[in-house]
Amino acid sequence: DADVTQTPRNRITKTGKRIMLECSQTKGHDRMYWYRQDPGLGLRLIYYSFDVKDINKGEISDGYSVSRQAQAKFSLSLESAIPNQTALYFCATSDHSGRAAQYFGPGTRLTVT
Amino acid sequence: SQQGEEDPQALSIQEGENATMNCSYKTSINNLQWYRQNSGRGLVHLILIRSNEREKHSGRLRVTLDTSKKSSSLLITASRAADTASYFCATSSNAGGTSYGKLTFGQGTILTVHP
Repeated sequence: DADVTQTPRNRITKTGKRIMLECSQTKGHDRMYWYRQDPGLGLRLIYYSFDVKDINKGEISDGYSVSRQAQAKFSLSLESAIPNQTALYFCATSDHSGRAAQYFGPGTRLTVT
Repeated sequence: SQQGEEDPQALSIQEGENATMNCSYKTSINNLQWYRQNSGRGLVHLILIRSNEREKHSGRLRVTLDTSKKSSSLLITASRAADTASYFCATSSNAGGTSYGKLTFGQGTILTVHP
């Protein structure tokens, strides 16, 4: 079984709809991250969480919100989806040291029409 | 803004040749990491080099780090068709507080290895 899972894997939604992307991990890591990937732009950090009570904005948090329901679960919400939020979204985890590798989920391909 | 800038953006080689990708960055780092991404899939960690290290090996991978030039290179030796993927460098922030350990990714190098 995968260590980091994301649901859904693909989603098409309409402008203005609220959508939630979910991430679960079995690695026992404290830190969790949400990134978006657009062609030619690499990955950009949306939000990150060091533990259940510690959530921080990344470089592109506008239009997004997150919830850390438990150590193993970190959800990303788009309150009112817009077409330029069409992208590939990745969840990742790492240990508490801040000096180690990150482990990525398989991604969610989101299309906003 | 992107901390890591990668060069070249795309690289096409024949099987058996070596592939070299370069990464430059702007600020002080804790470590630098390289990741691989097969088309449309999640990133997979390849290798991590700490700021006090100059070279590191893992199988057919060799990574160098020059902190004075703020640059790193990834060498894949004896490439295979299965190495075809995008490769990203990511720098780990050395800043304090909640920024410590944050990764900033470059835009990636697309490597194509022809059989």
